[in-house]
Amino acid sequence: GDSVTQKQGQVTLSEDDFLFINCTYSTTTYPTLFWYVQYPGQGPQLLLKVTTANNKGISRGFEATYDKGTTSFHLQKASVQESDSAVYFCALVENTGYQNFYFGKGTSLTVIP
Amino acid sequence: SVLLYQKPNRDICQSGTSLKIQCVADSQVVSMFWYQQFQEQSLMLMATANEGSEATYESGFTKDKFPISRPNLTFSTLTVNNARPGDSSIYFCSSRLGVSYEQYFGPGTRLTVL
Repeated sequence: GDSVTQKQGQVTLSEDDFLFINCTYSTTTYPTLFWYVQYPGQGPQLLLKVTTANNKGISRGFEATYDKGTTSFHLQKASVQESDSAVYFCALVENTGYQNFYFGKGTSLTVIP
Repeated sequence: SVLLYQKPNRDICQSGTSLKIQCVADSQVVSMFWYQQFQEQSLMLMATANEGSEATYESGFTKDKFPISRPNLTFSTLTVNNARPGDSSIYFCSSRLGVSYEQYFGPGTRLTVL
């Protein structure tokens, strides 16, 4: 079935470090892909959205590229700040059929000042 | 986008009791979703609720335990029946504007069952 895989459960970085969070997906179609961010005590918020029509999403210094060849959608940021500490979820929605939303397990990012 | 409001923000209840969580959207939406999130874990889809029809439940969630109502296009309630400590988690309502569109989430209701 369709799924999203995030292998990194926790990531700890220092301020100004480079962030890379791995996300791969498995679907029978070309889905729409998302990154969500969840700050402590809040609901998940949309960070990035990428469709098959545009291969890259950029928001607030974060970017992710839709790579159909490797079925990946990794999240990157050149220089993280303490305020980026949060949980990041990769997600997808199919563009055909039942169109369920699938979330990865999430990656908890802690940025040390 | 869609703004979703949930009430209450948090609740503490005794085992065996029932409680209701309300979700209100600032615009009409076709589908509302309810998710469960345990501490620092991923979001588990519980059910999908469309206006005027029975909610569709995912594996592991039942109508008897988590009845959901969807009386109109801006409102939904989730009830937790016979609450147990294992139900202690955060419950989120969610919605999207279209079938391939992003989902929006409410702020969550943190439930503690003693």
